[in-house]
Amino acid sequence: NAGVTQTPKFRILKIGQSMTLQCTQDMNHNYMYWYRQDPGMGLKLIYYSVGAGITDKGEVPNGYNVSRSTTEDFPLRLELAAPSQTSVYFCASKDGGGAGSNQPQHFGDGTRLSIL
Amino acid sequence: AQSVSQHNHHVILSEAASLELGCNYSYGGTVNLFWYVQYPGQHLQLLLKYFSGDPLVKGIKGFEAEFIKSKFSFNLRKPSVQWSDTAEYFCAVSSGAGSYQLTFGKGTKLSVIP
Repeated sequence: NAGVTQTPKFRILKIGQSMTLQCTQDMNHNYMYWYRQDPGMGLKLIYYSVGAGITDKGEVPNGYNVSRSTTEDFPLRLELAAPSQTSVYFCASKDGGGAGSNQPQHFGDGTRLSIL
Repeated sequence: AQSVSQHNHHVILSEAASLELGCNYSYGGTVNLFWYVQYPGQHLQLLLKYFSGDPLVKGIKGFEAEFIKSKFSFNLRKPSVQWSDTAEYFCAVSSGAGSYQLTFGKGTKLSVIP
């Protein structure tokens, strides 16, 4: 059981380039999340999704876009990369059945992104 | 909006010392509380969680946490730390039923010296 899989693990972009961070989960979880982690700042929610076709903004959505065409996949897109988007990005998923809010989130291994 | 405060940015302990990491949250309603651990270069893993019942929660690897509602706290404890506990620890909160978002604290880095 792979859990949450993120690709790539590392990437260096030039300012203004675009890229998509991939996230796939095989646990049939309804809820998926994208976070960025910056040193000393904890995790900040970028976007989340409560099911296929439904996405919503988190705390820091500017400069990012997401889509959720299937239950399994939740890609994060950077359209015009900026140095401020240098960070480690984590995707997570959660089972939403029943009392959904007390289920833990399961995290991927992260994508370390540098914008130069 | 809810917030989570972790008071210690970096804690340094010798092996066998006792550990207590503080976590306070600001939300007046029902909460679900989590502690996650992130070992160097790895993803976040769940240590323990509380959502109802006994306020003393036991997790993996000998960790426990106590929910004190009157103090809005959920401190993490371990009686005797090991070098392998060196990691960053995150407290997280979600508000009660119907909320699917987690609010994370800024994390506490624990360094255990052999």
